[in-house]
Amino acid sequence: DGGITQSPKYLFRKEGQNVTLSCEQNLNHDAMYWYRQDPGQGLRLIYYSQIVNDFQKGDIAEGYSVSREKKESFPLTVTSAQKNPTAFYLCASSFNRGWETQYFGPGTRLLVL
Amino acid sequence: EDQVTQSPEALRLQEGESSSLNCSYTVSGLRGLFWYRQDPGKGPEFLFTLYSAGEEKEKERLKATLTKKESFLHITAPKPEDSATYLCAVQARTGGGNKLTFGTGTQLKVEL
Repeated sequence: DGGITQSPKYLFRKEGQNVTLSCEQNLNHDAMYWYRQDPGQGLRLIYYSQIVNDFQKGDIAEGYSVSREKKESFPLTVTSAQKNPTAFYLCASSFNRGWETQYFGPGTRLLVL
Repeated sequence: EDQVTQSPEALRLQEGESSSLNCSYTVSGLRGLFWYRQDPGKGPEFLFTLYSAGEEKEKERLKATLTKKESFLHITAPKPEDSATYLCAVQARTGGGNKLTFGTGTQLKVEL
């Protein structure tokens, strides 16, 4: 079955710790995205990548980092510099022709201990 | 700056009671408007894409329409399983990265 997987489903972060969220897709999509969802706010774009080995900052990139070494994978690291990391993190992917629909994974909920 | 406003924030319907959700937008040249359904604790599920004013798309009890300023998601004879949060997003022709700008959603509850 083709789709997007995210792991873990829940993640706990201690003070000063970096944590990495996994996102994998087998849809042969070129572009991948990370969004953050907070209660009462729309999804906000953190980072996106339109091609392997290239990525761009979104609207709220501070305190986050990404890599895109393989077409199928786009991991997100939440660094200790992100002071308010508690949120629902969503990964999405699409073809890269501009008008293509973005399809979302099941999400990872990050909580701070 | 692109903006999306959804109304109402929450809507409670009886089973079979038809209604509409609104998505108002301002964007520097619309490339596409997207509707998603999101269940609690899950990722958004794609419903429709609309590209130009006058366009309509249907799927089961849902019908999406588009004008130059807003989109409506019409729900006909809803069932309890239609309960979810419905998200609207726009993509502008300008700017990079296929970016989507989302509204805050309408939380729909359909009761027996």
